[in-house]
Amino acid sequence: NAGVMQNPRHLVRRRGQEARLRCSPMKGHSHVYWYRQLPEEGLKFMVYLQKENIIDESGMPKERFSAEFPKEGPSILRIQQVVRGDSAAYFCASSPLSGDTYEQYFGPGTRLTVT
Amino acid sequence: AQRVTQPEKLLSVFKGAPVELKCNYSYSGSPELFWYVQYSRQRLQLLLRHISRESIKGFTADLNKGETSFHLKKPFAQEEDSAMYYCALSGGSGNTGKLIFGQGTTLQVKP
Repeated sequence: NAGVMQNPRHLVRRRGQEARLRCSPMKGHSHVYWYRQLPEEGLKFMVYLQKENIIDESGMPKERFSAEFPKEGPSILRIQQVVRGDSAAYFCASSPLSGDTYEQYFGPGTRLTVT
Repeated sequence: AQRVTQPEKLLSVFKGAPVELKCNYSYSGSPELFWYVQYSRQRLQLLLRHISRESIKGFTADLNKGETSFHLKKPFAQEEDSAMYYCALSGGSGNTGKLIFGQGTTLQVKP
């Protein structure tokens, strides 16, 4: 089992462009969490998805950010019209089921730099 | 508000010395507390959780509800313990398992 995969590992975008971050969960996991880590801060929850459903998006900025987890393929975090403040490390984690009992397995992260 | 506080950004100790990484939390309800660790060039991984009451790599953590703390301890630090440590709390409506992280503490174990 290769673990949670994220790509790209590094992404550079100019202000105003779109950023697409991909997360492939571990085999057999149907629950995905996205977290953002701004410089010098801890990870902050953004969104929790199950296959084809957004369950909790309470941590997502109201504009420009969206997430999906289709029936087939990876989960995608999409940031439209990026700004410098979006520069951060974005981590996804997967688990086999939801709730506290189940460990979340983290990917290596995507480091987004907005120039 | 739900919050996790790790007051120390950096903790530096000598090999063989005791280690205590502090974690305090704010949560209305019964929290689930975790410690995650990130070694150099590796991904974030679960170290231990309070419900399992395990000792992992010599580390233990006790949940103190009176002091709302979940400090991570090890009696004798090893150089390979050098890493970034995050305390995390699981909460939120519906108990979805989303994690609330502290800012992290870098542990540096000197030879």
